[in-house]
Amino acid sequence: GDQVEQSPSALSLHEGTDSALRCNFTTTMRSVQWFRQNSRGSLISLFYLASGTKENGRLKSAFDSKERRYSTLHIRDAQLEDSGTYFCAAEQGTGSKLSFGKGAKLTVSP
Amino acid sequence: NSKVIQTPRYLVKGQGQKAKMRCIPEKGHPVVFWYQQNKNNEFKFLINFQNQEVLQQIDMTEKRFSAECPSNSPCSLEIQSSEAGDSALYLCASSPGTNERLFFGHGTKLSVL
Repeated sequence: GDQVEQSPSALSLHEGTDSALRCNFTTTMRSVQWFRQNSRGSLISLFYLASGTKENGRLKSAFDSKERRYSTLHIRDAQLEDSGTYFCAAEQGTGSKLSFGKGAKLTVSP
Repeated sequence: NSKVIQTPRYLVKGQGQKAKMRCIPEKGHPVVFWYQQNKNNEFKFLINFQNQEVLQQIDMTEKRFSAECPSNSPCSLEIQSSEAGDSALYLCASSPGTNERLFFGHGTKLSVL
């Protein structure tokens, strides 16, 4: 079954607003990564977390350090260029493959 | 932000034909992954390598797919006899290590007619 449940599946924002995406894991994960995929298919790495939080500009991600069962991606002051499909992917054990969520399509409008 | 190079960008094949795609990992990255992303955005892990050695692969990869990462040459993924269900975006990713951040290429979009 699916190990990674991502929500919401789609989201529409106006420029300047804030929002958050979430991934729940059905089992304890060792690490999580967040990606944004553009319309041409390119997957851009946003964050890699083994624990705690990381921030990069208007994006901030957190990985639950206790249970290791969920991660969030916060988008602050959304801009048009933030549009795309966001994926989380988590790794269960050492050297194991990533399990991906089904993506969250974000549309930012003026 | 990725320096992983995948070619070709688009590939069109008839059923039963071979389909081969290549990937040059980022310099200094010994770990390479291949994933298949279908039209429903579902990612399927195919195979991964550390240097030239296969770490993990799924059954489908063992039977109809072949892949290699020779030293001093691009990595490659080849479908021996393409099927309509193989139409997808094939993504290659490289990493500095087995438990580190993945960097993806732009993908090869395969269409099997």
